[in-house]
Amino acid sequence: GEDVEQSLFLSVREGDSSVINCTYTDSSSTYLYWYKQEPGAGLQLLTYIFSNMDMKQDQRLTVLLNKKDKHLSLRIADTQTGDSAIYFCAESYGGSQGNLIFGKGTKLSVKP
Amino acid sequence: DAMVIQNPRYQVTQFGKPVTLSCSQTLNHNVMYWYQQKSSQAPKLLFHYYDKDFNNEADTPDNFQSRRPNTSFCFLDIRSPGLGDAAMYLCATSTLPGRSYNEQFFGPGTRLTVL
Repeated sequence: GEDVEQSLFLSVREGDSSVINCTYTDSSSTYLYWYKQEPGAGLQLLTYIFSNMDMKQDQRLTVLLNKKDKHLSLRIADTQTGDSAIYFCAESYGGSQGNLIFGKGTKLSVKP
Repeated sequence: DAMVIQNPRYQVTQFGKPVTLSCSQTLNHNVMYWYQQKSSQAPKLLFHYYDKDFNNEADTPDNFQSRRPNTSFCFLDIRSPGLGDAAMYLCATSTLPGRSYNEQFFGPGTRLTVL
C-alpha cells in the first residue's frame, strides 16, 4: 500500500539551512505536500509541488522532487527559531484531489 | 477569522464509556475529515464526509462512527473506547472540487485519554 517515510528528528543552528527528506510510494500522486505543525496548533499547509515539477521555490523554502526515486525534500534557508515545528510530508492518492497520506513528521529543533 | 474548531481540546473517558468529539468550521467547506494520530505516528484518516456522503476507510474499526448534521458540524463517536484508542484526533476540512490541489485546513485536535 501507499506509504510515506521521513526521519523523525532534525536539529540545526539558527541561520543554517535545514533539509527535511521524505520518500513516498505512490507514483501516481499528482501533488506532494509539506504541512507544518506548531505546538498546540493544527497542521497547516506550508507548500506543495505538482508532480511534473522538479523544484519549487517560495521565499526561504525550496522543494525538490525526484520522481524517479520518489524522493521529496524541503529546504529551509536561514532557519530561524520560529521554524521549530513538526513538518509532515504527504502524498495524495485517488487523484490530485484525493485523500492524503502523511508521513510521521520530522521534528525540527532550531538552536540559537 | 475563518477556522476549524475542535471541542474539547482534552477529553478523558473510561474504558468502554462512549465518547463524542466535535468539530465545527466557519470555512463553509464541503469536505470534513477525521484523522487519528498516535504519538510519533502519522495522522491516519478514519473517514470523511464529501458533502453528505460518508466515506469510511477500509481499516477503520467499527467502534468509530461519525455524524454530520449540517455543513458546519461533524462529530466523531467512539462507541466503546479501548486503551488503544488513546490518541490525538484531528478534524480537517477542504473544498472539493476546487483548486487543482487538495489543501486541508486542520483544527488543533482533541487529545483523548482512556483510563
